[in-house]
Parts: sequence; C-alpha cells; structure tokens
Amino acid sequence: EVQLVESGGGLVQPGGSLRLSCAASGFTFSSYWMHWVRQAPGKGLVWVSRINNDGTSTSYADSVKGRFTISRDNAKNTLYLQMNSLRAEETAVYYCVSSHGYLAQWGQGTLVTVSS
Amino acid sequence: DIVMTQSPDSLAVSLGERATINCKSSQSVLYSSNNKNYLAWYQHKPGQPPKLLIYWASTRESGVPDRFSGSGSGTDFTLTISSLQAEDVAVYYCQQYYSTPYSFGQGTKLEIK
Repeated sequence: EVQLVESGGGLVQPGGSLRLSCAASGFTFSSYWMHWVRQAPGKGLVWVSRINNDGTSTSYADSVKGRFTISRDNAKNTLYLQMNSLRAEETAVYYCVSSHGYLAQWGQGTLVTVSS
Repeated sequence: DIVMTQSPDSLAVSLGERATINCKSSQSVLYSSNNKNYLAWYQHKPGQPPKLLIYWASTRESGVPDRFSGSGSGTDFTLTISSLQAEDVAVYYCQQYYSTPYSFGQGTKLEIK
C-alpha cells in the first residue's frame, strides 16, 4: 500500500524557516517524480513545487521561487521542502504527492502556521 | 502560465440526478505528439487529502465508480457525475499537468439539493 507521511509542520514566525519531510513507502520511491501542493484555510489547491525522480530537475511556483527548496533522498525514501522567509499568507496544509504526471497519491498533509 | 477556470463555483443537485462541472484552460493542454490531454480531476472532502478521479482527461482512476466520467479536449473539459450519491458531496478541482507551473481550477463545491 502506498503511504506518504508528512511531518515538520508547526508554528513559525513571519520571516522564519521550516523544513517539511515526507516519508514514502509501498512503492519504488526513486522511480517517481514528487510534488508539494498546499491549501490555505478556506482556499483552493495550489501547486508549489516538483522534483524529478533522481533529484536533478526541480520547478517552483513563482510565489516561492528563491525561498523554497525541494529535495529528495532516495536512499531514505524521503522528500523534503525547505521553506525560508515564510509569510503569513503561506499558512496552509502542505501535501506531499507522488506523480505520474498527474498527481496520483496524496499524503494526509501537514499544517504550517505562519504567525507572530 | 496556464490559467484554469472552472464553472460553476458551486452546484446543488438532487440525489440521483446528473452533475456537470466545466473546466477551461487558457491554452491547449493537448500534446500533439501523443494526442493526450494533460488534464486531471480531483475530489476533495473536508479533513481528507484530495483524491485523483480522472487523468488524461477521460481515464478513470482504479477504484473510482463509473458514475464519474471525464470528457473534452484542447481547452474545454467536463466532469460528469451521472447519478449523484450522498458521498459525492465535495469540492472538485481540475488541474493541468501540461507545463509548469502546474495549475488548478478554483474548485467547484458540489452539494445536495
């Protein structure tokens, strides 16, 4: 069974940093592109970033470019999202998603709250 | 960037009746080399992660009831629920994966009339 378990969310002050992790199991992690998608309270889904299967290619939404970094450790079956210079409007549930192009399997999400 | 626009924003349908949600992309998501539309539909219920329903515009994900169907090509797409069930109450999103930044529609909230 495919499992994606996010962790690392929590309360952080504006301008602060946080690193999210996503532990994958039940599939060959190193064969799949991975994504982060977020949903602010009461808002819709927003794509944040993606990384290819070997970590050599990444892409970001304009709103996070230069502040967020996606990475992966295929030996540990883990996806990461380093988030710097966080803003209040980035308060959201962050989902880790495995991809076949389309977003196939979603984790339960981790809540990031950016507030003073 | 490709902008995805769904209509309507909300929809109330009687149990057993048909529900139709539309999605329009600002540019074509049909890749000519393989004749595939890079368009997916997701169902999102409160407290749960989104669930993939349809990909390649019309291919139903394994385990998704056959009352859900997708159609369309190029820039105009439709998700149809042929006979609405109570468990179908959710927010539905279309999404293009033709090019980054991948983008979602704003969502359509489906309720029971």
